[in-house]
Amino acid sequence: GENVEQHPSTLSVQEGDSAVIKCTYSDSASNYFPWYKQELGKGPQLIIDIRSNVGEKKDQRIAVTLNKTAKHFSLHITETQPEDSAVYFCAASRGSGNTGKLIFGQGTTLQVKP
Amino acid sequence: EAGVTQFPSHSVIEKGQTVTLRCDPISGHDNLYWYRRVMGKEIKFLLHFVKESKQDESGMPNNRFLAERTGGTYSTLKVQPAELEDSGVYFCASSQGGTVFNSPLHFGNGTRLTVT
Repeated sequence: GENVEQHPSTLSVQEGDSAVIKCTYSDSASNYFPWYKQELGKGPQLIIDIRSNVGEKKDQRIAVTLNKTAKHFSLHITETQPEDSAVYFCAASRGSGNTGKLIFGQGTTLQVKP
Repeated sequence: EAGVTQFPSHSVIEKGQTVTLRCDPISGHDNLYWYRRVMGKEIKFLLHFVKESKQDESGMPNNRFLAERTGGTYSTLKVQPAELEDSGVYFCASSQGGTVFNSPLHFGNGTRLTVT
């Protein structure tokens, strides 16, 4: 079945360093790849997304890259800050049609040490 | 704009009991989804409503789970009878009509269900 593998499961970096989280998807029909950040006690919040016709997208300190051939996509956070500490989820979806079914990765707990 | 609201935030019940979770989507959002995260694993899709109709319920684990969305507004998810493996965090999400490209999902804070 459809699945998304996410690595690493935990990641600890020093404030100011970069963090990279990687995901691999199995469904070649997937064409929409959002990233969610979940803070303690809250629900997942969309932080950035990318469509399959784009190879890279940036929004300030965060960027996402997509390699459709290899079915890989990654989240890059530069100049990390303590408030970046959270659980991050990647997801994949067949964006066409009236459906929002997302296939999520297992999550990455990011800890940014001050 | 109020976000997606879920109630209760926590629920602890015994095996065999019944629990009903409630979700109030963002006003005007036709799409409503239920997801579940079990014990640190991935967030898994349960089902999708478009207004009051079930669009996709392929993720519902078994017939102990019943979801409703009467009138196309709020939704309930009932688990009866609850089993130990039902423990987890249940998330509700909503989006406006259309595809995820132009209408991303907004998640609630979740209901943490513990079955003892």
